[in-house]
Amino acid sequence: DTGVSQDPRHKITKRGQNVTFRCDPISEHNRLYWYRQTLGQGPEFLTYFQNEAQLEKSRLLSDRFSAERPKGSFSTLEIQRTEQGDSAMYLCASSPAGRGDTQYFGPGTRLTVL
Amino acid sequence: QKEVEQDPGPLSVPEGAIVSLNCTYSNSAFQYFMWYRQYSRKGPELLMYTYSSGNKEDGRFTAQVDKSSKYISLFIRDSQPSDSATYLCAMEGAQKLVFGQGTRLTINP
Repeated sequence: DTGVSQDPRHKITKRGQNVTFRCDPISEHNRLYWYRQTLGQGPEFLTYFQNEAQLEKSRLLSDRFSAERPKGSFSTLEIQRTEQGDSAMYLCASSPAGRGDTQYFGPGTRLTVL
Repeated sequence: QKEVEQDPGPLSVPEGAIVSLNCTYSNSAFQYFMWYRQYSRKGPELLMYTYSSGNKEDGRFTAQVDKSSKYISLFIRDSQPSDSATYLCAMEGAQKLVFGQGTRLTINP
């Protein structure tokens, strides 16, 4: 257990529905990252925060995706109007300030879009 | 062409064997190099990280980085069935990690 928690662990939804995932980072870490991992592939970067500021978003993050980190603590990732191609494992990671090399991952949220 | 290339395997070896896992990369700006272990349906677990070229040892694990060849390796000595997992190499560029595809490793008792 790395100390990064994610909720829910598994989400099944129908195409067109909205879903929201939550990540609680290690408490002393001020950086928080979201990645997406599909079967047989490595994780791909989506976005990251330093405290409450969202500093970078990947081109993978379409307009249907939005992430927030109010008050610089937990973060939420929302997907609107889900598509079957959104089915994947959504991973959250956190790291200390200035240490992008030591990212600790949570257990992930597995999304299945029917 | 992907920035980080990793043979997906699968790789199957007997217990006690030395395992060698490798990645190549194309971006010379990468400075930090990591290895993660991922068990089925779990999040990646940070095993080792190294800065620039050189070797780093931690118990049965040794990480090597050769920046001149853009090549990194992870060696596992005295492999155990509990080492069976997917091993992901990752490189830090501009505050985010770029991962290889992962190598699926099985250690047979």
